Amino acid sequence: DAKTTQPTSMDCAEGRAANLPCNHSTISGNEYVYWYRQIHSQGPQYIIHGLKNNETNEMASLIITEDRKSSTLILPHATLRDTAVYYCIVRVAGTGNQFYFGTGTSLTVIP
Amino acid sequence: GAGVSQTPSNKVTEKGKYVELRCDPISGHTALYWYRQSLGQGPEFLIYFQGTGAADDSGLPNDRFFAVRPEGSVSTLKIQRTERGDSAVYLCASSELPGLAPNEQFFGPGTRLTVL
Repeated sequence: DAKTTQPTSMDCAEGRAANLPCNHSTISGNEYVYWYRQIHSQGPQYIIHGLKNNETNEMASLIITEDRKSSTLILPHATLRDTAVYYCIVRVAGTGNQFYFGTGTSLTVIP
Repeated sequence: GAGVSQTPSNKVTEKGKYVELRCDPISGHTALYWYRQSLGQGPEFLIYFQGTGAADDSGLPNDRFFAVRPEGSVSTLKIQRTERGDSAVYLCASSELPGLAPNEQFFGPGTRLTVL
């Protein structure tokens, strides 16, 4: 699975959009981009995934560049409850194997 | 509906002891995963079950670690002769048929293991 690079930490003001970047320059054509987050003392939680088109759900939006070498997770109106570690993961879809989480981005939403 | 559950939530043991950690996956999920998370790190894969069989155990650190899933549902992670370095949060996840792309993994709250 492709390696991802994320900033170690970020801050965001409450109510503003949080934009979390991820670089995955060695991504293969059949690898999806997944985002998970982990709130303190809880298990990771799925947020969103995509292949090449931008995706949106009730939690977030995922913007993938045309060359697929990077992506951005957007939380449109960050709340204090969005404070968590956010993991960007790329992997081949439909396989049974594990996710490689890396160390993620620690997002702090500031009141 | 019920999510993935793990018991116990916390386990304190002494060096050299044997421990068992239990995972109850979401009903109907055929795939089950164990991860280990050390402080300040992301989860690290240990083992993956497809049904009753371990399809990939490449993440188990050594032969003191073993996991079973005898009936294709509940799984138990077993650690023999525990060492202080085994202290971590052990996470379990389950998913539907992994052949259905792209599968989402649902995680339990984890078991915090402390080896004194």
